[in-house]
Amino acid sequence: SQQGEEDPQALSIQEGENATMNCSYKTSINNLQWYRQNSGRGLVHLILIRSNEREKHSGRLRVTLDTSKKSSSLLITASRAADTASYFCATDKFQGAQKLVFGQGTRLTINP
Amino acid sequence: DGGITQSPKYLFRKEGQNVTLSCEQNLNHDAMYWYRQDPGQGLRLIYYSQIVNDFQKGDIAEGYSVSREKKESFPLTVTSAQKNPTAFYLCASSISPGGYGYTFGSGTRLTVV
Repeated sequence: SQQGEEDPQALSIQEGENATMNCSYKTSINNLQWYRQNSGRGLVHLILIRSNEREKHSGRLRVTLDTSKKSSSLLITASRAADTASYFCATDKFQGAQKLVFGQGTRLTINP
Repeated sequence: DGGITQSPKYLFRKEGQNVTLSCEQNLNHDAMYWYRQDPGQGLRLIYYSQIVNDFQKGDIAEGYSVSREKKESFPLTVTSAQKNPTAFYLCASSISPGGYGYTFGSGTRLTVV
């Protein structure tokens, strides 16, 4: 069963705008991770946020985590055409088997 | 450069055939994973291994088998019992189970002909 659910399923914005994607999950977690996938390729790890953290930054990426709402958001600022990809959140269950469970992903399109 | 190599990139299988997908890593990672991705969908876990000579079933293990005889290698066999094997298969590894990001291979696209 899918632990993470991303929202929206698809997002199309103009280059230079900010993109926000959301992820909700069902059970308590150790950490939550975000990945990017270009079409037909493997996934690339973007950022990991632990359950005791609330916000994390990496370059143009900002991730927040609200464990009380079981949700996370990924913000990409000043988007570029190269950011066009699918973005997935993945969770590592607390006291569960140590494996990542992925959501369905958000398909992000940056229009020039 | 360290990384994960999956081969072949494309694979065609006839009905009733077993095929094996290769996954090799030189990252010295303990844990390895196989995921299946269908078009427009997320990843579903097939099998995972946290240490050599040990592996566990994931959510969709039926019709698949694996081995972990070496730390570097985690091959996946798609057997004839898998009735709908056409999909994109992704192998991943992590330093140790839990709490670390995964490194993914570039995937194998399997098609039944």
